[in-house]
Amino acid sequence: AQSVTQLDSHVSVSEGTPVLLRCNYSSSYSPSLFWYVQHPNKGLQLLLKYTSAATLVKGINGFEAEFKKSETSFHLTKPSAHMSDAAEYFCVVSDGYQKVTFGIGTKLQVIP
Amino acid sequence: GAGVSQSPRYKVAKRGQDVALRCDPISGHVSLFWYQQALGQGPEFLTYFQNEAQLDKSGLPSDRFFAERPEGSVSTLKIQRTQQEDSAVYLCASSVEGNTIYFGEGSWLTVV
Repeated sequence: AQSVTQLDSHVSVSEGTPVLLRCNYSSSYSPSLFWYVQHPNKGLQLLLKYTSAATLVKGINGFEAEFKKSETSFHLTKPSAHMSDAAEYFCVVSDGYQKVTFGIGTKLQVIP
Repeated sequence: GAGVSQSPRYKVAKRGQDVALRCDPISGHVSLFWYQQALGQGPEFLTYFQNEAQLDKSGLPSDRFFAERPEGSVSTLKIQRTQQEDSAVYLCASSVEGNTIYFGEGSWLTVV
């Protein structure tokens, strides 16, 4: 069995300040973990993925995430938020085959 | 093609009408997924194909929902006798087994 918990449904930050979106997972095997971003009226775009290589994963647009097995966490961070980062972010866990589970999503608001 | 293509992008159906949503996955991708995303929610799994075989349809909400992928490429999700609760974005995704899942931009269905 696997599950994903996104700890915040909404996060609000000021432009230029750091972003932290939290994700915890549960899995009975070695999972693959992903972060996707969804802008309004758009499909899901892959930000980054972890597949049992380096625990610190760098993605597009300056985002990165660290896989911490001991804490079962895969939090998404960015040093400095841009207005264009305002969107909904989904943490996803996969068994590497057909079982893919989404978190409920975190809406990121960026205040000018 | 370069990405997952879905059509129509927007569909308004009268209650009781049948609809068909098409997904053209990335060329060579064996795995194909359908998800339903209600307003303000994360995507929920509907069904999964490996080539032409539908290996998991446990997420289909009722027998009014039917999906097929007869030649292992293009897939169609059909909804019969649409109801208002069927209003959602229907996302198609494809992947190479065990790898990143790529999403289309979705088909937005509104049942009136």
